[in-house]
Amino acid sequence: DAKTTQPNSMESNEEEPVHLPCNHSTISGTDYIHWYRQLPSQGPEYVIHGLTSNVNNRMASLAIAEDRKSSTLILHRATLRDAAVYYCISMIQGAQKLVFGQGTRLTINP
Amino acid sequence: GAGVSQSPSNKVTEKGKDVELRCDPISGHTALYWYRQSLGQGLEFLIYFQGNSAPDKSGLPSDRFSAERTGGSVSTLTIQRTQQEDSAVYLCASSLVFLAAYEQYFGPGTRLTVT
Repeated sequence: DAKTTQPNSMESNEEEPVHLPCNHSTISGTDYIHWYRQLPSQGPEYVIHGLTSNVNNRMASLAIAEDRKSSTLILHRATLRDAAVYYCISMIQGAQKLVFGQGTRLTINP
Repeated sequence: GAGVSQSPSNKVTEKGKDVELRCDPISGHTALYWYRQSLGQGLEFLIYFQGNSAPDKSGLPSDRFSAERTGGSVSTLTIQRTQQEDSAVYLCASSLVFLAAYEQYFGPGTRLTVT
């Protein structure tokens, strides 16, 4: 399994960009990188995913390093509603197990 | 459209009793997943279904846990002879197919408390 490593916690201010890092040094060429977040007392919510190229959607951007050993989730303008635990997951093509790490607890200051 | 639904939302049971948790995936989603989250912990993968088939059950914590899916839709997770360590939030998710390129949609979870 490709293990991911994230900081335990991060803090940012409202309306500022947030860069959430993830290391996945053992990722293989066909494994996708997914990001989910979990708001308090809710189930996880899909944020974004990618394979090799950088990806953008209405929620966030995903920047993937050229060697694919790391990636960064970018929230362009954080709001208080973005306070959550963010999980970076390496989805192994062909395997049957999804591995969630401990995630990064993001705190947004008003 | 309707998202993933789970029932019951809360279940309190006595140690030693059996419980059944239900998941209704998004219509048309062929892949279904079960996770659990103990208090203050991350998500632990339990089992997945592609259609009605669960090829790998090794993620289930013990032989007291079983899961089935019928008609390619509803799934039930059954825990026999519940123990206090089974207390957790049990989450179900579905995706269009089981491929890494597809995102998963999670239900609100069933909070199980074993007393």
